[in-house]
Amino acid sequence: GAVVSQHPSRVICKSGTSVKIECRSLDFQATTMFWYRQFPKQSLMLMATSNEGSKATYEQGVEKDKFLINHASLTLSTLTVTSAHPEDSSFYICSASPGMGNEQFFGPGTRLTVL
Amino acid sequence: DAKTTQPNSMESNEEEPVHLPCNHSTISGTDYIHWYRQLPSQGPEYVIHGLTSNVNNRMASLAIAEDRKSSTLILHRATLRDAAVYYCILRGGGTSYGKLTFGQGTILTVHP
Repeated sequence: GAVVSQHPSRVICKSGTSVKIECRSLDFQATTMFWYRQFPKQSLMLMATSNEGSKATYEQGVEKDKFLINHASLTLSTLTVTSAHPEDSSFYICSASPGMGNEQFFGPGTRLTVL
Repeated sequence: DAKTTQPNSMESNEEEPVHLPCNHSTISGTDYIHWYRQLPSQGPEYVIHGLTSNVNNRMASLAIAEDRKSSTLILHRATLRDAAVYYCILRGGGTSYGKLTFGQGTILTVHP
């Protein structure tokens, strides 16, 4: 199956700093990628839809100025958590699909810990 | 988005079949039924999907009720590596095309 990678896999940062997470589709092009957040023992919650060459679409309740998304190419989307705080500590997961109607392939996730 | 209902947890023994149920009574005619699973500390993994007919692939089978208000994911011979959270998701069309809304899923425990 198709492969989606994320970098870094784990990051620890101080409160107030910004953290960038990369999501790459390694063997296919993706005009759309999705970003999810998962708190311990909870399900995945969709944060935003990342669209190549245009603005991301954010889900209700997700602050677009805090979670900056850039989808500069057909294989790369980045999520920047700005001015991170301990409550932003979570497991961030991206996904992409070779076509909108096909199955989605998920990255391995990024564990963010804000001290 | 139409909602799905799954049992919180199920248990199975290794090498036995597992039937994971999912209710989706408000499914619309254009909704596809998708199943994903997630192992601890990993991203979800696609398992199978279908629309109306039963589907088989190398991982599992999907049995869809005739009225499409329920479906069952079938793992024919459970292994320890099948222990995961299984999510039944309806993927619709229109403006939400491609988006997946995850519920709480079913935690599957496989005993040796």
